[in-house]
Amino acid sequence: LQLQESGPGLVQPSETLSLTCTVSGDSISGSSFFWGWTRQPPGKRLEWIGTISSGGTTYYNPSLTSRITVSVDTSKNQFSLKLTSVTAADTGVYYCATERRDSYNYIDQWGQGILVTVSS
Amino acid sequence: VVMTQSPLSLPVTPGEPASISCRSSESLLYSNGYNYVDWYLQKPGQSPQLLIYLTSNRASGVPDRFSGSGSGTDFTLKISRVEAEDVGIYYCMQPLRSPWTFGQGTKVEIK
Repeated sequence: LQLQESGPGLVQPSETLSLTCTVSGDSISGSSFFWGWTRQPPGKRLEWIGTISSGGTTYYNPSLTSRITVSVDTSKNQFSLKLTSVTAADTGVYYCATERRDSYNYIDQWGQGILVTVSS
Repeated sequence: VVMTQSPLSLPVTPGEPASISCRSSESLLYSNGYNYVDWYLQKPGQSPQLLIYLTSNRASGVPDRFSGSGSGTDFTLKISRVEAEDVGIYYCMQPLRSPWTFGQGTKVEIK
């Protein structure tokens, strides 16, 4: 299984950050995995952002709930992240990943990451 | 849940053991008897990779020189004999309470 993030590397302040993760080697619709986003601001710790199940159930970081949407497109075998009203604090490397959320909770496979800079 | 790691920097000698501590602000022991702590390694220029889940279970392909232990709020990752390929930043993470949260990271480098 491989994951590849895509999207703009530069976003204007107050605009919407939109990223897509393309999954290969497995089908999102038939998978027991969950599909998540984690980010790493420069010089700071990793931060879990949000996750979606194959069936569309979402889990969001409460600190971002008002601004975040994670969605899945099973026809394209992709899932996406939208983060509205971005500021410089949203700058960082964004990773998509698979997650297990059963009795063995962990982040399993990670994408290579995409650097997103919020700046005018 | 706040995860606090120590030390933040760890110079190591190849062949020698190394140990990283992770403390959580709340107990990570669940009613099923498992302690929910994972460990990840981010090698230079790479994405993080899973090393240990549920405190002490090595992920597929992880060498047995890596081991995890602990319970409640205190957890440890040990490397029995450090190799040059083990350099990078090690993170603990709690996947029990939402939001999942990470430690600050411990940078392991060769002396």
